Amino acid sequence: AQRVTQPEKLLSVFKGAPVELKCNYSYSGSPELFWYVQYSRQRLQLLLRHISRESIKGFTADLNKGETSFHLKKPFAQEEDSAMYYCALSGTHMNSGYSTLTFGKGTMLLVSP
Amino acid sequence: NAGVTQTPKFRVLKTGQSMTLLCAQDMNHEYMYWYRQDPGMGLRLIHYSVGEGTTAKGEFPDGYNVSRLKKQNFLLGLESAAPSQTSVYFCASSHTDESNQPQHFGDGTRLSIL
Repeated sequence: AQRVTQPEKLLSVFKGAPVELKCNYSYSGSPELFWYVQYSRQRLQLLLRHISRESIKGFTADLNKGETSFHLKKPFAQEEDSAMYYCALSGTHMNSGYSTLTFGKGTMLLVSP
Repeated sequence: NAGVTQTPKFRVLKTGQSMTLLCAQDMNHEYMYWYRQDPGMGLRLIHYSVGEGTTAKGEFPDGYNVSRLKKQNFLLGLESAAPSQTSVYFCASSHTDESNQPQHFGDGTRLSIL
């Protein structure tokens, strides 16, 4: 079974401080991982995916297969980064063989001025 | 393009009542999903569909039924609402199930069961 763990419910930092939102996964196959973000009063949206190896809004995430982690990082947090962040794993669903997303429980990031 | 549209946005039901949540997407996506979001629990997959006329159970299907009669619409039904179904429901769609394809989400439906 696939599982995604986000150990922190809440992460509070000051503006300009570095941020790391932790994500660990469990999956027997080759994982595809994503970070989704939900800003206040907005819909959930894709932030980045590991396959793209991109930086979005200053955030990066590297897949570490040895540690089964996909931590989200940003060197200097901004107030507008305050949001709920979800780590998600794409894996084969047992009922159908199709790929579905398994989400972590989310981490609320609060960036204070 | 509106993307993914959910109706209604809010609803209050009494225990035992039934209702249907509608999800519509205008992106010609094959795959559609229904999740529920509860505090501290993240998003949990209820049901999904890989194409018109098909449905499949997610991890938490009990108490819900779905239908995908048209490619653009995915309906979530509660036949007999229970307080445990109080939640925010999100619909999503994706072009395929290829693992690098992102899912596009609606704004959510906030449902309260009294």
